Amino acid sequence: DTAVSQTPKYLVTQMGNDKSIKCEQNLGHDTMYWYKQDSKKFLKIMFSYNNKELIINETVPNRFSPKSPDKAHLNLHINSLELGDSAVYFCASSHILTSGGRGDTQYFGPGTRLTVL
Amino acid sequence: SQQGEEDPQALSIQEGENATMNCSYKTSINNLQWYRQNSGRGLVHLILIRSNEREKHSGRLRVTLDTSKKSSSLLITASRAADTASYFCATPIGNTGANSKLTFGKGITLSVRP
Repeated sequence: DTAVSQTPKYLVTQMGNDKSIKCEQNLGHDTMYWYKQDSKKFLKIMFSYNNKELIINETVPNRFSPKSPDKAHLNLHINSLELGDSAVYFCASSHILTSGGRGDTQYFGPGTRLTVL
Repeated sequence: SQQGEEDPQALSIQEGENATMNCSYKTSINNLQWYRQNSGRGLVHLILIRSNEREKHSGRLRVTLDTSKKSSSLLITASRAADTASYFCATPIGNTGANSKLTFGKGITLSVRP
């Protein structure tokens, strides 16, 4: 009964490779996110999707391409991996953020630790 | 730029003591949230306080919000070794709705010694 799940948990790959991370949520949320957490634990939003539509793109290099086949899934594909891409990537979901509404809380997946060699 | 900044960056206390963590932010907010992250895990939502609230309790957690000082504090009473984790404050930025996003501080590392 995992709420937000990600696969894989660990990903080790060579520079220049292309890799994907998958995320699924079973909470019935309409908004999903990708965050990157660096080695100093700083957490920064990369993308958000609402009902399969891209809403937020935080000037992430276009080597990163999110894809949302349906409301419950948001995958992250990364082309031509670079050393600086090494980080922990978190998927999260929520209801749409509203003033005083249900969407204020985000639910996070367990993270995918990406190591680029 | 970062919205929330936590203080201190690291805190080490003895089990049973209280832990107080602070967060300051820059722009006006609708609410402020605290999250916990255990080592190697995702973030877990702890508590949310709205801009018209001054104090909120949840179990051993007590959160205060001072909008005039743009600051919040998280108090964990009677700490346990299991409270050892990183704690983040987060605030929504942008208009409400799909364009709104949460921004997180750098986090506070809390160590509770048995």
